[in-house]
Amino acid sequence: ELKVEQNPLFLSMQEGKNYTIYCNYSTTSDRLYWYRQDPGKSLESLFVLLSNGAVKQEGRLMASLDTKARLSTLHITAAVHDLSATYFCAVDVNSGGSNYKLTFGKGTLLTVNP
Amino acid sequence: EPEVTQTPSHQVTQMGQEVILRCVPISNHLYFYWYRQILGQKVEFLVSFYNNEISEKSEIFDDQFSVERPDGSNFTLKIRSTKLEDSAMYFCASSTLTAYGYTFGSGTRLTVV
Repeated sequence: ELKVEQNPLFLSMQEGKNYTIYCNYSTTSDRLYWYRQDPGKSLESLFVLLSNGAVKQEGRLMASLDTKARLSTLHITAAVHDLSATYFCAVDVNSGGSNYKLTFGKGTLLTVNP
Repeated sequence: EPEVTQTPSHQVTQMGQEVILRCVPISNHLYFYWYRQILGQKVEFLVSFYNNEISEKSEIFDDQFSVERPDGSNFTLKIRSTKLEDSAMYFCASSTLTAYGYTFGSGTRLTVV
């Protein structure tokens, strides 16, 4: 059974600081997604990482994928309060034919304090 | 930008009642999914649907659950006899299996009392 482990699960940081969220997974996959979820809301797609070495950046967030290490990172640069949310990584695995499904990590609750 | 639409946004139901959650996927998507998220927990896969049949289902998706694409646009999740533990946010998603990934709907919060 695929395991997707995120850490930390809770992250409280000050505005202006940098930090990294890690996502480890236990099976071969070269498709990984990062989502943001605000309380009571849906999943907002942040990054789609489709190959080893993929790096994508949007504003203060940068995501990378190392498929050999089965590791993805979400780096936050100079955090601002608006980034406060829960961040999920999700690994896309083929279960046969054209069947894919996402397995999510438990999420990282990020709180950015002034 | 195309959206996945879910209705209702919130449904309260008595234990043992049947509920139907509705989704309108993006029109050119071919793969449809239901996921659920119990409050404060991770998002869990329930079922995938392609070519008018279930492709894969999880252990959660037992005989109380069923899915249907009744008219070529809607995609529904039915829970036959709801239990308290079915209380969760249910997300519909659709995909073309391309680099664009999955699009999730805004969710239906189901509360079973």
